[in-house]
Amino acid sequence: DTAVSQTPKYLVTQMGNDKSIKCEQNLGHDTMYWYKQDSKKFLKIMFSYNNKELIINETVPNRFSPKSPDKAHLNLHINSLELGDSAVYFCASSQDGFQPQHFGDGTRLSIL
Amino acid sequence: DAKTTQPPSMDCAEGRAANLPCNHSTISGNEYVYWYRQIHSQGPQYIIHGLKNNETNEMASLIITEDRKSSTLILPHATLRDTAVYYCIVRVATGNAGNMLTFGGGTRLMVKP
Repeated sequence: DTAVSQTPKYLVTQMGNDKSIKCEQNLGHDTMYWYKQDSKKFLKIMFSYNNKELIINETVPNRFSPKSPDKAHLNLHINSLELGDSAVYFCASSQDGFQPQHFGDGTRLSIL
Repeated sequence: DAKTTQPPSMDCAEGRAANLPCNHSTISGNEYVYWYRQIHSQGPQYIIHGLKNNETNEMASLIITEDRKSSTLILPHATLRDTAVYYCIVRVATGNAGNMLTFGGGTRLMVKP
């Protein structure tokens, strides 16, 4: 069973569109994250979230917003997509802020 | 979080030990050393972490110097599947949602037959 799963695996869309990426974890973890890996392969944290607080990396544009319908899911909504949003987005989860993080296999977003 | 310095790339012969160094000279007393790796086209994978004692698990060993300013990740018998980018990360383990990992450039390990 996949521990952290993301859908879709690939997403190709036009500039200006609004899109969502879904993430689900079946590990019973309390904390979930979103990371962005750009074309230079640098991984950057975007959000950290548990049922008590959302921590946002201040460099993330407000066009990006995480939505958590329940503890096992943390979806990423992106409004008004821009060319610079093209990247691989990784979801991760951990039991708490101390425990190791488990990552999904990423969603490759391409903006035309 | 303390910054880390890693060599950009390393080669290792299959079956030999791979020793990946990491410098973290500004590490604070309450900061842990974490190692993750990323195999091509996959998400990062946790390997091991430690505070000041050496640690070993089924994947690797972590050796931390006595002054904690550097560490070495050891893969005892590298295989071709260990070819990946290895990231050394130091950070406070706060136990809350603030544990956001900061990845550097990592070391690209190439295991060769």
